[in-house]
Amino acid sequence: DQQVKQNSPSLSVQEGRISILNCDYTNSMFDYFLWYKKYPAEGPTFLISISSIKDKNEDGRFTVFLNKSAKHLSLHIVPSQPGDSAVYFCAASWNAGGTSYGKLTFGQGTILTVHP
Amino acid sequence: DGGITQSPKYLFRKEGQNVTLSCEQNLNHDAMYWYRQDPGQGLRLIYYSQIVNDFQKGDIAEGYSVSREKKESFPLTVTSAQKNPTAFYLCASSTGRDYNEQFFGPGTRLTVL
Repeated sequence: DQQVKQNSPSLSVQEGRISILNCDYTNSMFDYFLWYKKYPAEGPTFLISISSIKDKNEDGRFTVFLNKSAKHLSLHIVPSQPGDSAVYFCAASWNAGGTSYGKLTFGQGTILTVHP
Repeated sequence: DGGITQSPKYLFRKEGQNVTLSCEQNLNHDAMYWYRQDPGQGLRLIYYSQIVNDFQKGDIAEGYSVSREKKESFPLTVTSAQKNPTAFYLCASSTGRDYNEQFFGPGTRLTVL
């Protein structure tokens, strides 16, 4: 039972354009969402997060949008750069009683390729 | 430099042998985690530990064991009971203030022959 799904295995965009990565979840108890970026042969690195009390969080070129009614979140990268080429994972957690103890549920990942 | 070290980067073992993967962090983080990644799949949580001498099973703990005798170390043993041990294993840590934002090591690719 895949509770967090990234239905697009890959995405290809031109440098300077917008990259939109999507993520859907099924568990309505999830209340905190994160995006991680992973280069080959390295561990993932944290990119940006959003709490369910918000619908948008922005950090430089990266913006995460959350649509709770649709159980959908997306990561926008504007403008895209070749160095953004990596695998992007969305993750979700349920902060029961105020803490999740870090039990993250990850999606399958989307490979982003940004062409010069 | 603070960070998480996993060794070795590549590990080969014969079927039926137990193998222990090392994970060390010098970030002074309270919590540590072990994940497994298979091709085309996301990371799946094996075990996690919020404090020394305490740990909990994640979603796929069967065939694995851990210990947390020191704050900076969280070794994972892949036992012969794990039916499909070949995978990429990632260790992570986080502070006690924000368990969600986790810092990952470079990973160990285990191949069981």
